[in-house]
Amino acid sequence: KAGVTQTPRYLIKTRGQQVTLSCSPISGHRSVSWYQQTPGQGLQFLFEYFSETQRNKGNFPGRFSGRQFSNSRSEMNVSTLELGDSALYLCASSLGDSQGQPQHFGDGTRLSIL
Amino acid sequence: QKEVEQDPGPLSVPEGAIVSLNCTYSNSAFQYFMWYRQYSRKGPELLMYTYSSGNKEDGRFTAQVDKSSKYISLFIRDSQPSDSATYLCAMSARGQNFVFGPGTRLSVLP
Repeated sequence: KAGVTQTPRYLIKTRGQQVTLSCSPISGHRSVSWYQQTPGQGLQFLFEYFSETQRNKGNFPGRFSGRQFSNSRSEMNVSTLELGDSALYLCASSLGDSQGQPQHFGDGTRLSIL
Repeated sequence: QKEVEQDPGPLSVPEGAIVSLNCTYSNSAFQYFMWYRQYSRKGPELLMYTYSSGNKEDGRFTAQVDKSSKYISLFIRDSQPSDSATYLCAMSARGQNFVFGPGTRLSVLP
């Protein structure tokens, strides 16, 4: 069974630009969560999507947004990039039909802002 | 005080040792607990998942949850150099997102 796939693996952008990251969950998983990982703050929750609806949201500014498609694939968008957005962005999927289910991660997209 | 605390390490042990990794937390509503292993340049890999209190064993790994003390542990028996990684604990309450500890760096020396 294929795991969680994130594309691209690496991205370099400049301040003020916007970026879109993609995540394909494990087949059959309907929940997709996004996290930001930095050395100083660790893993921080961005948002969770289930059946194309945002089910949970973390404490990030509105520049961070996401969506989920009918095939459960998800995208995350960051607008007006800032230097502090440099991080590893991780996507995790779970079955999602009941809460607290284990999450499985992709290898992330490493975003560098110049 | 952070919701989930974890000693960042690094923790260095000789090959074959028993490793004990721990997390403490403050939210008594947490009832779902997970342990992940993360290698450099890779995403976290799920090792153990536990609901509520008790012990769970899987091969060389044992997870323990003590909700009365708000304390969870991961034990690794017969540790191997390939176990060298960062170990993350994660936990959540019903209907809430998972909260992660900062991770403990483990180095198993041959």
